[in-house]
Amino acid sequence: DGGITQSPKYLFRKEGQNVTLSCEQNLNHDAMYWYRQDPGQGLRLIYYSQIVNDFQKGDIAEGYSVSREKKESFPLTVTSAQKNPTAFYLCASSSGTGFYEQYFGPGTRLTVT
Amino acid sequence: GNSVTQMEGPVTLSEEAFLTINCTYTATGYPSLFWYVQYPGEGLQLLLKATKADDKGSNKGFEATYRKETTSFHLEKGSVQVSDSAVYFCALMTNYGGATNKLIFGTGTLLAVQP
Repeated sequence: DGGITQSPKYLFRKEGQNVTLSCEQNLNHDAMYWYRQDPGQGLRLIYYSQIVNDFQKGDIAEGYSVSREKKESFPLTVTSAQKNPTAFYLCASSSGTGFYEQYFGPGTRLTVT
Repeated sequence: GNSVTQMEGPVTLSEEAFLTINCTYTATGYPSLFWYVQYPGEGLQLLLKATKADDKGSNKGFEATYRKETTSFHLEKGSVQVSDSAVYFCALMTNYGGATNKLIFGTGTLLAVQP
């Protein structure tokens, strides 16, 4: 079955540590996205990538970094510079840059203490 | 700027009741409109969409009509079930930076259906 996988589902880190969240898709989609979800809020766009080896900042990119070395993979690193990293992180992909539906992964809940 | 406003929850209904979740939007141009559903601890699933004015999206008994004159996309279901309990997000998609289209979400509405 095609879809998006995110791992792990739950992640715990100490403050000051960088942590990388995995996102893999086998939908052959060109575009991939990272969103952050906080309680009682909608999703906010962190980074997006339209094609391999290219990515752009979203609305809240500070303290985050990404790479897109393969079409299937779009890992997100939460750095120690991110002031409030505890959140639910969702990865999504879409087949192109038109008004295409975005498909979401199951999410990773990151807790930093 | 572009934005989505949803009614605040939680919305608590008895099984078989009629559901309406209000959603209004502000956008330049002609956005596409979406309803996503999020079950506890999971990612988002597309519930329905509409890409132009007067389009009606429908799925699993849910419906929403794209009303340009009132800038609204209200979600309705005639008879809710306990399994419909989830958070519902209204979203619009518009051009972002001229290249990639961006989803803009409302804050979500929690629906709790009691047996």
